[in-house]
Order: sequence, then structure tokens, then C-alpha cells
Amino acid sequence: RKEVEQDPGPFNVPEGATVAFNCTYSNSASQSFFWYRQDCRKEPKLLMSVYSSGNEDGRFTAQLNRASQYISLLIRDSKLSDSATYLCVVSGSNYKLTFGKGTLLTVNP
Amino acid sequence: NAGVTQTPKFQVLKTGQSMTLQCAQDMNHEYMSWYRQDPGMGLRLIHYSVGAGITDQGEVPNGYNVSRSTTEDFPLRLLSAAPSQTSVYFCASSLTGVVTQYFGPGTRLLVL
Repeated sequence: RKEVEQDPGPFNVPEGATVAFNCTYSNSASQSFFWYRQDCRKEPKLLMSVYSSGNEDGRFTAQLNRASQYISLLIRDSKLSDSATYLCVVSGSNYKLTFGKGTLLTVNP
Repeated sequence: NAGVTQTPKFQVLKTGQSMTLQCAQDMNHEYMSWYRQDPGMGLRLIHYSVGAGITDQGEVPNGYNVSRSTTEDFPLRLLSAAPSQTSVYFCASSLTGVVTQYFGPGTRLLVL
């Protein structure tokens, strides 16, 4: 089983749609969880950290289920500018980040 | 405040040539790392450093050397380039290894 697995995608959705991305991780000792966003031919940028209690940032909601080793990202009211690749990222106590392969989202007008 | 800078942006090498990818940050971050990104593979950690004078191997260190003589700089050396090292290379830094990592704009390397 790969360390971090994501929906392979791609996702094509109309503007205004709600889209959800899923991610699973294999190391139960993982301590920190993130979603990064990467625009085409650009560097990854932190979108949001993910906490056990769940957290929200505007139209974005992240959830973590440690028992199932599952992370999710929900985007509501999709905008054209949300088109990007979304990377699920996990870290253990050694500070190293492990990236999923990413899920490509295209929001269409 | 430039953040994380990388040079060059693009490079073409011939097999067997050597080169150094430069990375610098002006945020006084202790933790710096190098990743490579290949299609369908995601980002993979090559080497990392938790402070000046301290480096360690990541997931795919073979063929690469690093050093960290200052807090600001973390160069990545390819001693004898191979076509398998064709990739996009990202440098990143953070105050610790866990909180937000800031990435540089990347170096696109083609080895012929």
C-alpha cells in the first residue's frame, strides 16, 4: 500500500459545484496533515492544515479521521480559480513530508 | 523578502555532466529540503537539512549531494547527470519540518 493515496481524478466540474477529494495514508504514526495546491507549472503552496476536529477556511473544509487514516477536502461553490492540482500531504515525527500524487481539478464555466 | 529562490529556472545537461542547483531563503528558516517531481510520481524527498552543518537523506538520494554551510543556502549537486534525473526540482524551507513549507519556483532539468 502506498504511503499516501489520493483519488486519481481528474475532476471536471461546473462553476458553483461542490467537489470532494479523498486521501488515505498508511502510517498510523503520522502526526500532521495538510492539503497543498499546485497550479500548472508552479510550486506547491499550502492550502490548509487538517485537524482531527475538522477545520474550515471559507469555501474549503478539511476533515481527518485518524481511526480510518483518511483525509478529505471539500470545496463548495467552485470557482474557475480553484482549477489546480490538490496534493494530500502527511508528516510524521521526523518532519519529513510525504506527498500524494495529487488530484487535478478543472472548474468549467 | 524574496522567500525561497532557485536558480537556474531551466537547464539542459548532457549525460555525465555535473551541475549545482542553487536554493536560498531569506526567512531564517532552519529546515530546508529538496524534492523532485516526476509525472505520475508526486513529489519525492531527495535530501533535507535541519540546520547549518546538518544534512540527511530522503527517499531518493542516490546521484545527489548536498551541503549546508549557512542557514540561507542549500545547494543540490548532481555529480554525473543521468537521463533518469530529468525532472522538476523544488527546494523548500520552513521554521520546523512540520509547519508550512515554503517552496521555491522550481528548476526544470533535462538530461540528454
